[in-house]
Amino acid sequence: EPEVTQTPSHQVTQMGQEVILRCVPISNHLYFYWYRQILGQKVEFLVSFYNNEISEKSEIFDDQFSVERPDGSNFTLKIRSTKLEDSAMYFCASSKSTSTDTQYFGPGTRLTVL
Amino acid sequence: DAKTTQPPSMDCAEGRAANLPCNHSTISGNEYVYWYRQIHSQGPQYIIHGLKNNETNEMASLIITEDRKSSTLILPHATLRDTAVYYCIVRATYQTGANNLFFGTGTRLTVIP
Repeated sequence: EPEVTQTPSHQVTQMGQEVILRCVPISNHLYFYWYRQILGQKVEFLVSFYNNEISEKSEIFDDQFSVERPDGSNFTLKIRSTKLEDSAMYFCASSKSTSTDTQYFGPGTRLTVL
Repeated sequence: DAKTTQPPSMDCAEGRAANLPCNHSTISGNEYVYWYRQIHSQGPQYIIHGLKNNETNEMASLIITEDRKSSTLILPHATLRDTAVYYCIVRATYQTGANNLFFGTGTRLTVIP
């Protein structure tokens, strides 16, 4: 069964450094999403992406964040200058052909900012 | 804000049916009810969704009341691996720009041996 994959599974970085989290969505899916979950808190929406542009973003997704689909398979989340409060699990998701199709999630990347 | 209300926790004996309730009294006619679960800190796993009719798949059954104000997710024979946080989410069927899923606090289901 096709699934969303994410790399790395765990990323440790120093405050102020740039990080790129990578995702490979399900191959025939057209909509891509990033969510995050701070330890012990709810899963929160960050951004959705379709047709090479952001279709929706939350208040969390400020200028420090960017997303890109650099090629036909990868979808990335970049944090330009990490802060301690960016430490969280980051989940990528994808859905098939409309934004209302079922979203399927990857296993997540645990980001630890020191 | 959350459109759903779920009990914070439930226990279920292994092998028995787990019935997880969800209230969504303000649900609109164009909103689906989705269920996801999250095992430990893994990515949310899709379980099932429905609009009006009851639905069943290999994982679970979804029973939606006739007025659509509440629903119940049924895991027919719970196993220890079903221990997880279960999220009930309502979501529009049309493209409003509201693409995101809103996760509340869910119900923590513990399956007891």
